[in-house]
Amino acid sequence: KAGVTQTPRYLIKTRGQQVTLSCSPISGHRSVSWYQQTPGQGLQFLFEYFSETQRNKGNFPGRFSGRQFSNSRSEMNVSTLELGDSALYLCASSQAGTGGLAQYFGPGTRLLVL
Amino acid sequence: GENVEQHPSTLSVQEGDSAVIKCTYSDSASNYFPWYKQELGKGPQLIIDIRSNVGEKKDQRIAVTLNKTAKHFSLHITETQPEDSAVYFCAASSPDSSYKLIFGSGTRLLVRP
Repeated sequence: KAGVTQTPRYLIKTRGQQVTLSCSPISGHRSVSWYQQTPGQGLQFLFEYFSETQRNKGNFPGRFSGRQFSNSRSEMNVSTLELGDSALYLCASSQAGTGGLAQYFGPGTRLLVL
Repeated sequence: GENVEQHPSTLSVQEGDSAVIKCTYSDSASNYFPWYKQELGKGPQLIIDIRSNVGEKKDQRIAVTLNKTAKHFSLHITETQPEDSAVYFCAASSPDSSYKLIFGSGTRLLVRP
């Protein structure tokens, strides 16, 4: 089975712009979660989607949003980018339900905001 | 809110020795505890996990132990190899959702040949 894929892998944006990141989960996985990884704050939970619905949300401002499509693929969007948004954005997928809790991460999208 | 503390932040061992990484979580309602290995330029890789109804789990050279009373769980790697060198993260599920993981700050493990 193919793993979690994320596109693009690298991105450079300037302050004030917006960005959309994409995640394709492992085939058959219905839950997709997003995390932000920075040297200072570590790995922080952004949100989780299941069956196109946001089930959980972390403590991030409303500039961070996401969605999930009927094929379980997910996108996250960051509007009005700030320098502090520079980070590795990781997507993880899980079978969910009786399939288990294990989350499998993709390689991440590295975002640099100038 | 939920907090996970991880120690040590760095660990250097000789090849063949054992390595132990410890984590403490704050909320007794957490019920799922995975461990991840992250190599440079890659996403975290799930290496082992344990649920709150299990005290210990082993997979070849890797084992995890959980002490619910103390709210403490540990990763044990035996017969370490240079390819075990990486950053290891523990995590605990949030009390409000098993799919919301709270991560420790990471342990950089160096295995010296």
